[in-house]
Amino acid sequence: AQSVTQLGSHVSVSEGALVLLRCNYSSSVPPYLFWYVQYPNQGLQLLLKYTSAATLVKGINGFEAEFKKSETSFHLTKPSAHMSDAAEYFCAVILLGGGKLIFGQGTELSVKP
Amino acid sequence: KAGVTQTPRYLIKTRGQQVTLSCSPISGHRSVSWYQQTPGQGLQFLFEYFSETQRNKGNFPGRFSGRQFSNSRSEMNVSTLELGDSALYLCASSLMGSGTNTGELFFGEGSRLTVL
Repeated sequence: AQSVTQLGSHVSVSEGALVLLRCNYSSSVPPYLFWYVQYPNQGLQLLLKYTSAATLVKGINGFEAEFKKSETSFHLTKPSAHMSDAAEYFCAVILLGGGKLIFGQGTELSVKP
Repeated sequence: KAGVTQTPRYLIKTRGQQVTLSCSPISGHRSVSWYQQTPGQGLQFLFEYFSETQRNKGNFPGRFSGRQFSNSRSEMNVSTLELGDSALYLCASSLMGSGTNTGELFFGEGSRLTVL
């Protein structure tokens, strides 16, 4: 069965520091992988997605993620954190031909001034 | 282009009652999925509808049901509400379905249900 594990339910960084949110997936076949962001009292917004075209994926708001098959990882990074990046981030996986997204438990990102 | 619209945004019910939530997908999107979000369980898949047919279903009891209309609008219903049904219910639409071309889901802002 496919699943995703997000390491760390809460990450705190200083403004301007590197953001690294970890996601590992479990899948017997190449999956599609996604990162979504959720701001307070809002729905989820797609940050970026991996669909086997390129292993380094660039998304919105300066975020990017690298698919590493050997490590079964899809970590999200941003070189310099902004206060506006404070939100909850979800990694998700789906198999091609599957019918639902499987979400990780989420990582809450706090940005300190 | 209007996004996914969910109504109502907030509602309070008591145990034993039933509730119906509505979702209007992005124009042209034929797939609608529903997710339940709670602090303890996170985001859990309820069901997906495509062209008025339920295509996928999560592991929820039969008290949770849904339907999709010919205009792709969808409703979900929860009968005999329990305290544990308190959650944010998110609807998402997709152009063709979560397992196809893009896999990208567009989410509404959710309906926050409180069961007392």
